[in-house]
Amino acid sequence: GAVVSQHPSWVICKSGTSVKIECRSLDFQATTMFWYRQFPKQSLMLMATSNEGSKATYEQGVEKDKFLINHASLTLSTLTVTSAHPEDSSFYICSARDGTRANYGYTFGSGTRLTVV
Amino acid sequence: DQQVKQNSPSLSVQEGRISILNCDYTNSMFDYFLWYKKYPAEGPTFLISISSIKDKNEDGRFTVFLNKSAKHLSLHIVPSQPGDSAVYFCAASIQGAQKLVFGQGTRLTINP
Repeated sequence: GAVVSQHPSWVICKSGTSVKIECRSLDFQATTMFWYRQFPKQSLMLMATSNEGSKATYEQGVEKDKFLINHASLTLSTLTVTSAHPEDSSFYICSARDGTRANYGYTFGSGTRLTVV
Repeated sequence: DQQVKQNSPSLSVQEGRISILNCDYTNSMFDYFLWYKKYPAEGPTFLISISSIKDKNEDGRFTVFLNKSAKHLSLHIVPSQPGDSAVYFCAASIQGAQKLVFGQGTRLTINP
């Protein structure tokens, strides 16, 4: 149980275009989802906390107009990287929290490798 | 400000021996700690956790030790197996705050 599906697993886009990444909880309802970013050989940095039906809470230094987050249902959150630039190239990972599970119930998606050329 | 630190970027251990991964934290408000294992191009998978009211938690080959006075936790894997080769992240949280703060990760390599 507690599976999180993230799509696409990798994407290459041209500079200036927008890219949407989807995160779905397949067998549980996730009122809260989290979006992380990982640079090579570095830690997972929390970008924002996404709550179903309300605006996302962004961490300090994360541009909310550039990284648009939508959590319209209890099983789906999307991250849109708008007007992508090469410095946005990174590994993006989502996490969903199943409040009914022990161990804080965090389940991670498989990640999306974004390359902006 | 790195609140959770894993000071060893890599560790190499012989198969069958014990692997010890360390993690230090600075925020005394953290009261729940987790270890995750991560393979390249995949999301982290949960390994084991410990609440601040405990000093040890064991699950099969994995044991986590917590020393609150030193703000230090460690993950012991024994015996180490080749499949344990991965990057290990420790994470900390404050109950009610929901979000996790991750360390930088330690790359563990198990040599046959």
